Amino acid sequence: EVQLVESGGGLVQPGGSLRLSCAASGFTLSNYEMNWVRQAPGKGLEWISCISSSGGTTYFADSVKGRFTISRDNAKNSLYLQTNSLRAEDTAVYYCARGIIHDYWGQGTLVTVSS
Amino acid sequence: QFVLTQPPSASGTPGQRVTISCSGASSNIGTNTVNWYQQLPGTAPRLLIYGNNQRPSGVPDRFSGSKSGTSASLAISGLQSEDEADYYCAAWDDSLSGRYVFGTGTKVTIL
Repeated sequence: EVQLVESGGGLVQPGGSLRLSCAASGFTLSNYEMNWVRQAPGKGLEWISCISSSGGTTYFADSVKGRFTISRDNAKNSLYLQTNSLRAEDTAVYYCARGIIHDYWGQGTLVTVSS
Repeated sequence: QFVLTQPPSASGTPGQRVTISCSGASSNIGTNTVNWYQQLPGTAPRLLIYGNNQRPSGVPDRFSGSKSGTSASLAISGLQSEDEADYYCAAWDDSLSGRYVFGTGTKVTIL
């Protein structure tokens, strides 16, 4: 069974950092591009980043470019999102999703940016 | 950040057919395939339709997708109470450095 489990969310002050993780199981992570998508409270879905299967190519939404970094460790079946210089508007549930078509999603981890 | 436009809401009675539109541009829907996601209250999104009109295993055939030019549609026939959810279209956008874009979302209410 394909499973994606996010962790690492929490309350952080503006300007702070968090490292989000996504643990993958039930499939071979190295075969898939992976994505991060977020959803602010009461709002719609926003794609923020993806990384190629090898990790050699990354893409970012303009809203997080230069502040967030995506990485992966295929040997550890894990995907990461390093979030820096966090702002109030980054408050959201962060989901990892598998593949170009986002066919499997984790349950999400909540990041709250507030003083 | 939303470049795909959907109606904010749609509704119908049990058994009716509901259609949700998704309007984009040549750089996204006009060039790439469209995917649709269902998000039930308090849960993570679920892939409903991929490649414009393909259903993943386990998705009832009451759900169907189509695409024409720079627009796409999701149809739900034989509406059921468990279909009350938010629905999002999405597609890759080839403008700028490449990105995946979601629609604005449509809340489907069962009357």
